[in-house]
Amino acid sequence: EAAVTQSPRNKVAVTGGKVTLSCNQTNNHNNMYWYRQDTGHGLRLIHYSYGAGSTEKGDIPDGYKASRPSQENFSLILELATPSQTSVYFCASGEGLGGRDTQYFGPGTRLLVL
Amino acid sequence: QQKVQQSPESLSVPEGGMASFNCTSSDRNFQYFWWYRQHSGEGPKALMSIFSDGDKKEGRFTAHLNKASLHVSLHIRDSQPSDSALYFCAASGGNYAQGLTFGLGTRVSVFP
Repeated sequence: EAAVTQSPRNKVAVTGGKVTLSCNQTNNHNNMYWYRQDTGHGLRLIHYSYGAGSTEKGDIPDGYKASRPSQENFSLILELATPSQTSVYFCASGEGLGGRDTQYFGPGTRLLVL
Repeated sequence: QQKVQQSPESLSVPEGGMASFNCTSSDRNFQYFWWYRQHSGEGPKALMSIFSDGDKKEGRFTAHLNKASLHVSLHIRDSQPSDSALYFCAASGGNYAQGLTFGLGTRVSVFP
């Protein structure tokens, strides 16, 4: 089974500060994804990547940047954190089967922006 | 409006009983569907995918897809306390992986 890890697991940040969430996968999957989960909105796609060096905008990219420096690592960057970005963030990886890509999720990072 | 809608929002099932819940999409671009399960404090985990019309059975879980109506259902036979969780329907379409569109989930509680 796919192994996806995230760090940190919990983070408290101040408004206007920079936050970096990290994700690592050990299954050599091509695709990686960042979602956020909020009550009333479910899981929403922020950014995704098809491989090292690539990043694509998802459905709600505003206020977020992404970086994929290697096959294994995918980061989500909040340059100027705002309280509206308080959420639980999930990273996922997928084999790269096009639209049929089953995604494997990490355990999540709980972010609180004060 | 949610492109993937789930019902009911929650349900309670006796241990050993059958849990059934539904998912409907309003986007005809969606061709591929998944059911994910999320236990409290964990990430979602894929239960099963379904891409063709009809039934797909994996153990105690059976999914049904009707592509004409974009309706997917999940049935859990012989429900166990460990099945208590949030169940998401997710959909995608096309030839390129562009992420999944999730419904809001159905919360299932299995009581003894």
